[in-house]
Amino acid sequence: SQQGEEDPQALSIQEGENATMNCSYKTSINNLQWYRQNSGRGLVHLILIRSNEREKHSGRLRVTLDTSKKSSSLLITASRAADTASYFCATDATGGTSYGKLTFGQGTILTVHP
Amino acid sequence: DAMVIQNPRYQVTQFGKPVTLSCSQTLNHNVMYWYQQKSSQAPKLLFHYYDKDFNNEADTPDNFQSRRPNTSFCFLDIRSPGLGDAAMYLCATSRGDKQYFGAGTRLSVL
Repeated sequence: SQQGEEDPQALSIQEGENATMNCSYKTSINNLQWYRQNSGRGLVHLILIRSNEREKHSGRLRVTLDTSKKSSSLLITASRAADTASYFCATDATGGTSYGKLTFGQGTILTVHP
Repeated sequence: DAMVIQNPRYQVTQFGKPVTLSCSQTLNHNVMYWYQQKSSQAPKLLFHYYDKDFNNEADTPDNFQSRRPNTSFCFLDIRSPGLGDAAMYLCATSRGDKQYFGAGTRLSVL
């Protein structure tokens, strides 16, 4: 069953603007991760936020997590044309193991115009 | 210095003709995953290995099988590909929470 739903499905902005993507999920989680996928390629891990964290930063990325609302957001500041890609949230609800199993959302297609 | 390598990048097969996709890793990770991703959809986990222990997802069709002869290599076998199996197949590895993905194999079924 699908765990994550993302909105918007597509986002088009100008270079230099900020991009915000949202993710909602249904069950309790251990952590939530964001991945990026360039067209026709594999996924690249961007950032991970654990269930006991509320906000995390990495370079131009800022992730928030609200476990009471079962939602997360990814903010990319000062976007660049090279940020054009699909962005997926993925939730890990695995318990009792040293590794995770991820359930991916449908993704947001971000286009950044030069 | 690719860490998760999938071969081939593009594979064309005929309806019903068995096909094997391969994945190798240089990370020495003990967990390997296979995902199916159809156009404009989310990656969907098919199965994973924790070391040699195979774990199948409940809704993975029997048509899909996997082999992991050693830590570095993992294979996805599709016994009788149908038109609905045309997709991108992604291999990933992990040791902890974060997963490392290969570039994927795009499978076409004629």
